[in-house]
Amino acid sequence: EDQVTQSPEALRLQEGESSSLNCSYTVSGLRGLFWYRQDPGKGPEFLFTLYSAGEEKEKERLKATLTKKESFLHITAPKPEDSATYLCAVSAGANSKLTFGKGITLSVRP
Amino acid sequence: DAGVIQSPRHEVTEMGQEVTLRCKPISGHDYLFWYRQTMMRGLELLIYFNNNVPIDDSGMPEDRFSAKMPNASFSTLKIQPSEPRDSAVYFCASSRPGGAYEQYFGPGTRLTVT
Repeated sequence: EDQVTQSPEALRLQEGESSSLNCSYTVSGLRGLFWYRQDPGKGPEFLFTLYSAGEEKEKERLKATLTKKESFLHITAPKPEDSATYLCAVSAGANSKLTFGKGITLSVRP
Repeated sequence: DAGVIQSPRHEVTEMGQEVTLRCKPISGHDYLFWYRQTMMRGLELLIYFNNNVPIDDSGMPEDRFSAKMPNASFSTLKIQPSEPRDSAVYFCASSRPGGAYEQYFGPGTRLTVT
């Protein structure tokens, strides 16, 4: 069974304090790893897809990386508007469904 | 594009009543997914369709839950009879042909069963 574990569960940062969110996964035949952002009361918003180990993608202050066992979402000089829950998900094998982690709630203080 | 559309946004009902949630996927997307999100269990896949055909319903909790997709632009998730433990936020998502692409989520329906 596919498993996705995210850590820490919650993270509080000061504005400008860079950090990383971790997503470790156990799957058979990774097809893709996905990062989403979810704001309170809204649906998850797609951020990145990574398909193979060594791949990296960037968007503004966010950078996602992938190894064979885990992915990191690096946040550089975060701002209060980066506060949200960040979800990681994997697609594996012949299946088209995503298995999600529980998410990491990030709070950035001004 | 308007994105994935869900209705209603909020639903409050009494135990034993029938509840129907609705979803309109993004035009051109041929995969449609129904999820349930709770604090305890996170985001769980209930069922997904490809080209209007149910592919995997292994996440549907029990026979009280049913889902249909009569055409490419509409799907329903029905709970009959509803129970308090069904209270959650239900999301619909869609993705483009290919199967391993990102899914785009709707705003969700917050269901409260009293």
